[in-house]
Amino acid sequence: EVQLLESGGGLVQPGGSLRLSCVASGFSFSSYAMSWVRQAPGKGLEWVSGISGSADNTYYADSVKGRFTISRDNSKNTLYLQVSSLRAEDTAIYYCAKFTTNWYYFDYWGQGTLVTVSS
Amino acid sequence: EIVLTQSPGTLSLSPGERATLSCRASQSVTRHYIAWYQHKPGQAPRLLMYGASSRATGIPDRFSGSGSGTDFTLTISRLEPEDFAAYYCQQYNSSPRGYIFGQGTKLEIK
Repeated sequence: EVQLLESGGGLVQPGGSLRLSCVASGFSFSSYAMSWVRQAPGKGLEWVSGISGSADNTYYADSVKGRFTISRDNSKNTLYLQVSSLRAEDTAIYYCAKFTTNWYYFDYWGQGTLVTVSS
Repeated sequence: EIVLTQSPGTLSLSPGERATLSCRASQSVTRHYIAWYQHKPGQAPRLLMYGASSRATGIPDRFSGSGSGTDFTLTISRLEPEDFAAYYCQQYNSSPRGYIFGQGTKLEIK
């Protein structure tokens, strides 16, 4: 059974940083691209970032480019998102999601970790 | 950039009824790049449909998808109590690589 478990969220001041983690199990982690998707309070889903299985390729939404960094440690089956220069509008539940083989869709998701940016 | 517009924003129906959810793209998109998700509060989103009309693993056959070009539809033939949730359509953009979601349809019990 595929499982994705996020952690690392919390309350942070504007301009601050956090590192989010996602531990994966139930599949060959290094063989699949992974992603982060977020949902602001009362809003819909927004894709944030993606990374290839080997970590050679990374992709970002324009809204986070230059402030967020995605990475992974395949020896630990763990995906990361370093979030920096945080703004109030980054307040959201951050979901870890597994890409399908073709990168078109997200076939498994975690339950999310909440990041709140407030002074 | 392509925009996905879902309608209605909220759909109030009773168990046993048929639900029809719409997703309209601002320009023509490849149907292979369209997916639908179900999301309940406090839970992980779940992939329902991919390639516009293929059901994901374990999805019951009361869910179906259709459409092409700019108009895509998710249909739930007979609503079960567990189907009341938010539904999102999603499109893959190849160049530049990105993923667009519609704003969602909330399916609520009437």
